[in-house]
Amino acid sequence: GAGVSQSPRYKVTKRGQDVALRCDPISGHVSLYWYRQALGQGPEFLTYFNYEAQQDKSGLPNDRFSAERPEGSISTLTIQRTEQRDSAMYRCASSLGGVLNTEAFFGQGTRLTVV
Amino acid sequence: TQLLEQSPQFLSIQEGENLTVYCNSSSVFSSLQWYRQEPGEGPVLLVTVVTGGEVKKLKRLTFQFGDARKDSSLHITAAQPGDTGLYLCAGAGNYGQNFVFGPGTRLSVLP
Repeated sequence: GAGVSQSPRYKVTKRGQDVALRCDPISGHVSLYWYRQALGQGPEFLTYFNYEAQQDKSGLPNDRFSAERPEGSISTLTIQRTEQRDSAMYRCASSLGGVLNTEAFFGQGTRLTVV
Repeated sequence: TQLLEQSPQFLSIQEGENLTVYCNSSSVFSSLQWYRQEPGEGPVLLVTVVTGGEVKKLKRLTFQFGDARKDSSLHITAAQPGDTGLYLCAGAGNYGQNFVFGPGTRLSVLP
């Protein structure tokens, strides 16, 4: 597509349920990033991929969070046994990567609310 | 972990005033970007600086990359209400590395 697409845009879930957030990056972009953003704050790094390889997952808060990008394109961020503190805006971004790694293009985000 | 700090955290000024916001790190970055984010939207790139000491101008915005490539500044001349937003700096490492974002400076320009 023309831009980074995230779905769903809004997700309300009950505490303890699992959720899966989807990111469809710009076609041809090598690198894909997941961030979490609190209102009025900068994006907090979670994890990123080059192609299908997860390069760095040091930002994932705990083992309830996982991400995959099996075919090097679409990525899914999964949160198991959700807790209220997981409520946030989750943003995905992609970039060309490599020596052209000079701009991250962001999606509209998924607003997750855990009740 | 590469960390970026931004200052000030909040800035409220009158239309027509000048301002400078800062982005600092103890790490060296291969490039540094400035983004602006409006409510409800994702960050949008303003500029990328790559060379130490580089200065780039974008209309009323002037961006400078420190000589050691560890810090940067954004200067806005004659601020306008349309400049209101969250200004974020982000550093990138070398080949295929992560973008690390600072916490942002929230700018409010009052008419």
